[in-house]
Amino acid sequence: GAGVSQSPSNKVTEKGKDVELRCDPISGHTALYWYRQRLGQGLEFLIYFQGNSAPDKSGLPSDRFSAERTGESVSTLTIQRTQQEDSAVYLCASSLGLAGGSTEQFFGPGTRLTVL
Amino acid sequence: AQSVTQLDSQVPVFEEAPVELRCNYSSSVSVYLFWYVQYPNQGLQLLLKYLSGSTLVESINGFEAEFNKSQTSFHLRKPSVHISDTAEYFCAVSDRRTSYDKVIFGPGTSLSVIP
Repeated sequence: GAGVSQSPSNKVTEKGKDVELRCDPISGHTALYWYRQRLGQGLEFLIYFQGNSAPDKSGLPSDRFSAERTGESVSTLTIQRTQQEDSAVYLCASSLGLAGGSTEQFFGPGTRLTVL
Repeated sequence: AQSVTQLDSQVPVFEEAPVELRCNYSSSVSVYLFWYVQYPNQGLQLLLKYLSGSTLVESINGFEAEFNKSQTSFHLRKPSVHISDTAEYFCAVSDRRTSYDKVIFGPGTSLSVIP
């Protein structure tokens, strides 16, 4: 398909373990976003990638969180030494990211992370 | 920094009744405005957006939203709701001035349509 894909769809881990979440954006989309959505709550911005610019990491909640993006393709969000409060759905979105404008974000299905 | 307020966390409404979901944003600059919808067990999708031009924008399924610059609002309305409109609705804003595309989302409003 041509949409944003995320893997895994579900991840159950033990407290203290590291996890890696993957996002494949729509081909040609230069902008990529990660959000966290806790149960019954809204979207919490985590990090934003735009082309070759330095990423906006202002939303990362702690230094246990990090994200990388290879060019304008795949991105991985890594959470080290997971805590129970990290349990949430992690959403990835991509957009055309036109400079000076604003375009629609296309969301992936999310990864549901459960930390026991 | 931008912020978005959605005053109503939950809105129950009877089928075929009108509904308004409120959204206010904090900004003194020009903005782009969006409403996204998340149906049960589905991903987020764009419902409608205001970029420029007419302050009243419409979606294909009967929703409309009006950009009010003086009140910094972008309320979502529908004159007659259906059961299928039950979903979580998120208002979002981005700053026209920035050279990139960062969008800030509100906390969401859960719309429940009662048969």
